[in-house]
Amino acid sequence: EPEVTQTPSHQVTQMGQEVILRCVPISNHLYFYWYRQILGQKVEFLVSFYNNEISEKSEIFDDQFSVERPDGSNFTLKIRSTKLEDSAMYFCASSSRVSYNEQFFGPGTRLTVL
Amino acid sequence: AQKVTQAQTEISVVEKEDVTLDCVYETRDTTYYLFWYKQPPSGELVFLIRRNSFDEQNEISGRYSWNFQKSTSSFNFTITASQVVDSAVYFCALSGQNAGNNRKLIWGLGTSLAVNP
Repeated sequence: EPEVTQTPSHQVTQMGQEVILRCVPISNHLYFYWYRQILGQKVEFLVSFYNNEISEKSEIFDDQFSVERPDGSNFTLKIRSTKLEDSAMYFCASSSRVSYNEQFFGPGTRLTVL
Repeated sequence: AQKVTQAQTEISVVEKEDVTLDCVYETRDTTYYLFWYKQPPSGELVFLIRRNSFDEQNEISGRYSWNFQKSTSSFNFTITASQVVDSAVYFCALSGQNAGNNRKLIWGLGTSLAVNP
């Protein structure tokens, strides 16, 4: 069964460093999302991406964040200068044109900013 | 504005008890979708169900059942004969049929369910 994959599973970084979180969505999916979950809290929408551009972004997704689909398979989230409060689990999700309301989630990347 | 409320923060039951997790939502969209996800201690998000706003038929899947009541804006989830493996955080989520190509999910705070042997 096709699945969304994310790498790395856990990333530790120093405050101020840049990080890139990688996702490989399901191959025929066209809609891509990033969500964030601070430990013990709810899942929060960050950004959606379709047709090589951002469809919507939340207030969390400020200038420090960017997304890219550099090739036909990867979908990346970059945080330019990490802050302590960026420590969270980051989930990538994708959905198809046919079933665009069913989002398939990756296993998440746990980001720890020291 | 869209909002999902899961008023129950934590529930603790003994194995084999039935348990209902509440979800109340707010939206101005006439077409929308409701979801339940399970997050076990390992942290991944496991899709359980999707229901669209035009389908108020209740659904049963094994020990799981869902009660969608549009009149009260609720989408409650019942686990019958709970098992220890059901211990997890359960999230209710909402997606609107808005313009454009965004189907972002709005999440509740989650209900942490502990099923004790």
